[in-house]
Amino acid sequence: KAGVTQTPRYLIKTRGQQVTLSCSPISGHRSVSWYQQTPGQGLQFLFEYFSETQRNKGNFPGRFSGRQFSNSRSEMNVSTLELGDSALYLCASSYRDLNTEAFFGQGTRLTVV
Amino acid sequence: AQSVTQPDIHITVSEGASLELRCNYSYGATPYLFWYVQSPGQGLQLLLKYFSGDTLVQGIKGFEAEFKRSQSSFNLRKPSVHWSDAAEYFCAPSDYKLSFGAGTTVTVRA
Repeated sequence: KAGVTQTPRYLIKTRGQQVTLSCSPISGHRSVSWYQQTPGQGLQFLFEYFSETQRNKGNFPGRFSGRQFSNSRSEMNVSTLELGDSALYLCASSYRDLNTEAFFGQGTRLTVV
Repeated sequence: AQSVTQPDIHITVSEGASLELRCNYSYGATPYLFWYVQSPGQGLQLLLKYFSGDTLVQGIKGFEAEFKRSQSSFNLRKPSVHWSDAAEYFCAPSDYKLSFGAGTTVTVRA
C-alpha cells in the first residue's frame, strides 16, 4: 500500500512570504503529525491532527498552523517566513495515535532566502 | 519534564563489528519507545518498537533493542554491521507525542 506522500519535495521562498505544505497519509490512518528538522534543534514536534481536529501541539509560534481534511490529508502553513524556518519538514501518519507506529514521508525541504 | 538523551553523537564502527547505540529517557511513567533510522535527505524509517512485555524486541534489518526499566534505557544493538547501516539513528519515546533524541550518526568503515 502507498506510503506517506509529501508535496512538494523542495521549496524556496523569500522572507516574509507564506508557504503551504501538503501531506497525504497512508490509507486508513487518521492521525497526521508534523515535525521540523534542523541541524541546530534536531527533530521537533509541531502538531498532530486526528479527525480534522488538532489534538496536540508543540512549542512553535502561531505562524505555524495546520489543518486536516475529511479524507485525513493534512496541510501545514507557515506565514511571514523567517530565515530560521529553513528546515526539513516531515509528516507522519499513524493509525490511531502517536503511541502506535508512525510512518514518515520523505519530507519537504524548505529554504527561506 | 520529559526528556530523551542519546549520549553518543557519532559512532564509527568497522563492517562486521557489533554496534550498540544508547538511549536514556526521563518520563513520569514508561513511555512507548521507538527507534528510527534516517538516511541522508530522507524521511524516517521505523526500526522497532516497545510497548510492553518482553524486554528484548526484534526489529527490521537485524536490529534489536533492550528495554531496562531500572535504568530508563532502551539501547539499540546489531551483532554485525553492514556498510548500508551507515545512517543517523533516533530514539523516540512517545506519551501521545513523539519526542526525538538528538540522534547518533553511524559511520561504517570497510
